[in-house]
Amino acid sequence: EADIYQTPRYLVIGTGKKITLECSQTMGHDKMYWYQQDPGMELHLIHYSYGVNSTEKGDLSSESTVSRIRTEHFPLTLESARPSHTSQYLCASSDPTRGTYEQYFGPGTRLTVT
Amino acid sequence: EDKVVQSPLSLVVHEGDTVTLNCSYEVTNFRSLLWYKQEKKAPTFLFMLTSSGIEKKSGRLSSILDKKELFSILNITATQTGDSAVYLCAKITSGTYKYIFGTGTRLKVLA
Repeated sequence: EADIYQTPRYLVIGTGKKITLECSQTMGHDKMYWYQQDPGMELHLIHYSYGVNSTEKGDLSSESTVSRIRTEHFPLTLESARPSHTSQYLCASSDPTRGTYEQYFGPGTRLTVT
Repeated sequence: EDKVVQSPLSLVVHEGDTVTLNCSYEVTNFRSLLWYKQEKKAPTFLFMLTSSGIEKKSGRLSSILDKKELFSILNITATQTGDSAVYLCAKITSGTYKYIFGTGTRLKVLA
């Protein structure tokens, strides 16, 4: 069973607020990812990290930032939330050195910006 | 262009039917292809395919990859209502560990 956690699970927030979505995994995986997914739509890669102090922007950075100070923790911050940020945010991790490219997903954070 | 295309976009079948879902990709610098099932929340892993022509099987689900023609199929036999979900495929490009997801196929199995 995957040990990857996201908090909060649901968040309703006003426009202009700064928010941080938390993601933690206890599997020791080096690679971590943030995806944005609108209902019924594909997953869009926002940010990814290949290890501590390594972060890269994905195809859809959406005015957000990430940090990777510890292996297990990969928070996503929106500096100024907008209604267009309303979506589901999924965090994932993987460790190809274990012989598989399987990504393990967290339960997601459903964000609504009013 | 690095793109993954799935077809059909949606499918409605009756219990007991067999379905075939398609996934094609547009670049040849390929590392691996994965299939996931997504119900209400997070995707759950089904298969990882790296070599051409080798079928992966798990119960009623099976999948195969054709690296020459750049596609994969996911077969589900004797479908059940619990198979209703969105099925996603994702490609990993060699030289990176970025995953490119397709739009998914939404499968609905009627009782």
